[in-house]
Amino acid sequence: DTGVSQNPRHKITKRGQNVTFRCDPISEHNRLYWYRQTLGQGPEFLTYFQNEAQLEKSRLLSDRFSAERPKGSFSTLEIQRTEQGDSAMYLCASSLAQGSYGYTFGSGTRLTVV
Amino acid sequence: KQEVTQIPAALSVPEGENLVLNCSFTDSAIYNLQWFRQDPGKGLTSLLLIQSSQREQTSGRLNASLDKSSGRSTLYIAASQPGDSATYLCAATANAGKSTFGDGTTLTVKP
Repeated sequence: DTGVSQNPRHKITKRGQNVTFRCDPISEHNRLYWYRQTLGQGPEFLTYFQNEAQLEKSRLLSDRFSAERPKGSFSTLEIQRTEQGDSAMYLCASSLAQGSYGYTFGSGTRLTVV
Repeated sequence: KQEVTQIPAALSVPEGENLVLNCSFTDSAIYNLQWFRQDPGKGLTSLLLIQSSQREQTSGRLNASLDKSSGRSTLYIAASQPGDSATYLCAATANAGKSTFGDGTTLTVKP
């Protein structure tokens, strides 16, 4: 297993377009998290899944954002009608159970909305 | 609502110095506390994880301590090296698995 994989690494999009990011967690991890990080700030929680169930969603996540984890494997994060304020690093992490083993993060997807 | 603060925001030291990074959190009902390293433009690399029942963890030149009652954790780096230059983030994890991060301490170790 090569760890948590995120694609694409970088995405530049025009304002108003839709974008989708993918995260492949460590295969035996049943929890998957999405965070967003802007320059100089720590990551902010967006949402998390246990297996295929989305258990919590931050109020930061407007109705333009949607995340899925079909079959409890990889996850996608879609942003519709992107805005310049959506420009950030989107980080995915996975873990076993109730965080006993901590998070393993992917390298992130850098989104730039122009 | 959990809040995590890291002080200082930036730190510059000469090579070879021992240093301490601080992390404080407002809600002591945490499941664990994790320290990460982040290089510019990269993801987060886990350094140390301290369970709520533990007081400290060590890995090589790194030692992290946890005092839940006072809402504090420290990361001690011994004999710092230029390769230690990075941003160090702490994260407090609630029972539900969601973590709250501080904004990090950016460390520069000068040769």
